Amino acid sequence: ILNVEQSPQSLHVQEGDSTNFTCSFPSSNFYALHWYRWETAKSPEALFVMTLNGDEKKKGRISATLNTKEGYSYLYIKGSQPEDSATYLCAPGYSTLTFGKGTMLLVSP
Amino acid sequence: GAVVSQHPSWVICKSGTSVKIECRSLDFQATTMFWYRQFPKQSLMLMATSNEGSKATYEQGVEKDKFLINHASLTLSTLTVTSAHPEDSSFYICSAREYRAGNNEQFFGPGTRLTVL
Repeated sequence: ILNVEQSPQSLHVQEGDSTNFTCSFPSSNFYALHWYRWETAKSPEALFVMTLNGDEKKKGRISATLNTKEGYSYLYIKGSQPEDSATYLCAPGYSTLTFGKGTMLLVSP
Repeated sequence: GAVVSQHPSWVICKSGTSVKIECRSLDFQATTMFWYRQFPKQSLMLMATSNEGSKATYEQGVEKDKFLINHASLTLSTLTVTSAHPEDSSFYICSAREYRAGNNEQFFGPGTRLTVL
């Protein structure tokens, strides 16, 4: 079983703040890393699938970077908004995914 | 596109009864579906992988006779928790993957909260 760590466990920021969280995973036998955004009572929504070392992907105010050699990925949110409040999950894997516990983000107006 | 539904969204049952949860891909054909379980404050744990028309592959520690999975069509998979007991109370969530070369993206349903009394 892969050891996938996400930090922090939870985060509370004010609207307009920028924030970032970390996903750590084993660097050996790496195939891909998935980021999901999971709002309460909804389905987890795929944000990014990253495969190459040094990859940087962006979707609106959210971006992510990947370091496969050292086994980590950062997710950044610029100018957080209340609608960004959700749990952010990362999962390395190809055919099957191993999920971290997630980072719960709360953005206050 | 890529919508996955799950039914029911929550269920309460008595100990010893069986509960069936449905997972449907609404706008694509899911050759592979996955079933996960999440206990409070824990991560999503993969229970089993099912490919349409074949037997499911269960993860270590998951009893196949306890958690029956059927994936008889390209848009529907079901998970039946047989003779449910309170320790089976959990959040069950499915995901579906469309067959495309090099594709490993999974689309999730909204989950089912099972409470066994």
